[in-house]
Amino acid sequence: EAGVTQFPSHSVIEKGQTVTLRCDPISGHDNLYWYRRVMGKEIKFLLHFVKESKQDESGMPNNRFLAERTGGTYSTLKVQPAELEDSGVYFCASSQVGLRTEAFFGQGTRLTVV
Amino acid sequence: AQSVAQPEDQVNVAEGNPLTVKCTYSVSGNPYLFWYVQYPNRGLQFLLKYITGDNLVKGSYGFEAEFNKSQTSFHLKKPSALVSDSALYFCAVRDLNAGNNRKLIWGLGTSLAVNP
Repeated sequence: EAGVTQFPSHSVIEKGQTVTLRCDPISGHDNLYWYRRVMGKEIKFLLHFVKESKQDESGMPNNRFLAERTGGTYSTLKVQPAELEDSGVYFCASSQVGLRTEAFFGQGTRLTVV
Repeated sequence: AQSVAQPEDQVNVAEGNPLTVKCTYSVSGNPYLFWYVQYPNRGLQFLLKYITGDNLVKGSYGFEAEFNKSQTSFHLKKPSALVSDSALYFCAVRDLNAGNNRKLIWGLGTSLAVNP
């Protein structure tokens, strides 16, 4: 069974540019999450989809960040325009329904804004 | 406020010795607790979880963790460390009383170095 896949693995962009990160969850997982780890800090929650609906986007830093989950399958996270403080590792995770289930993570996308 | 503390940035142990990676948490409700490991250039990999029941839970690669409600701790342990256990370890908690009880709250991570 394929795991959670994220693309690209690395991205270096200039301040002011746009970047789109993609996440393909494990097939059949209704829950999809985005997290971010800024260097030296803890991993922080960004948002949570249940199928195609945003269940909780309280962790999104500001309106430069836009997440979508088309048809309840893959998800994209767009940063437009990117700022220096957006640099970090963006993790995507998915899980089955049920509170007791654990989340499975992708390998992350390392975003560097210069 | 919900929080997870991993008091040690780095833990060093000799191969074959027991290891402990510490984690304490603070949540308003009942916790679900998790340990994840990140090997170099890899993603976060699930190790084990505490949901309910026996306070000692066993996970992948010989790791185990003990839930202690009175001390609000969930320390990760392994009886005999391997060099291949060297990695970054993260403790995380879900607060069942939170508005979004599926959201994970994370510690800063502990870098484990096992020396041959």
